[in-house]
Amino acid sequence: QQQVKQSPQSLIVQKGGIPIINCAYENTAFDYFPWYQQFPGKGPALLIAIRPDVSEKKEGRFTISFNKSAKQFSLHIMDSQPGDSATYFCAASIMTGNQFYFGTGTSLTVIP
Amino acid sequence: DTGVSQDPRHKITKRGQNVTFRCDPISEHNRLYWYRQTLGQGPEFLTYFQNEAQLEKSRLLSDRFSAERPKGSFSTLEIQRTEQGDSAMYLCASSFSGSRKYTQYFGPGTRLTVL
Repeated sequence: QQQVKQSPQSLIVQKGGIPIINCAYENTAFDYFPWYQQFPGKGPALLIAIRPDVSEKKEGRFTISFNKSAKQFSLHIMDSQPGDSATYFCAASIMTGNQFYFGTGTSLTVIP
Repeated sequence: DTGVSQDPRHKITKRGQNVTFRCDPISEHNRLYWYRQTLGQGPEFLTYFQNEAQLEKSRLLSDRFSAERPKGSFSTLEIQRTEQGDSAMYLCASSFSGSRKYTQYFGPGTRLTVL
């Protein structure tokens, strides 16, 4: 059973566009939601994370929007660049717990 | 801060052989995690340690898998009698539980291919 559902599976945008990746969860005990970026052959790298007591968090060109009542959160990449082309994973965890539950990933391609 | 390191980066083995991977976490991190990632999927949790104690194991971690963290620093993951289905990227991550952030930092992974 997939604890975190992620969509779309793949996404193609023009340079400067704003790709949006969505994730949904069911377990209301989750209280930490990170996003990771992964390039081929590399491990995932933390981009940005949010806790459910805020509805939005920005770090540079990356923004997380969080809707606690809908149990959904999304990643927005402002002014996307070809170097942003990678696979993005959302995840969720219980902060006092241990494991992260990852989504299935979104392959983003930014066309110059 | 040199990051999480893993060794080897790639391993090709024949079915039935044993393999061992090593992970060195970020030095001040007391938690260490192992995940497995197959092509086109997100990482799946295998097990984690707090200091030297192994606190949880996923049902994905069959009896052929064993992990250790003998001195609460580096960890090893051994797979005995490898099967073709074990082919995957094995990722190690570490975190510091005292920071109340629990952010996990991943290493580059070990790519295992079982022929």
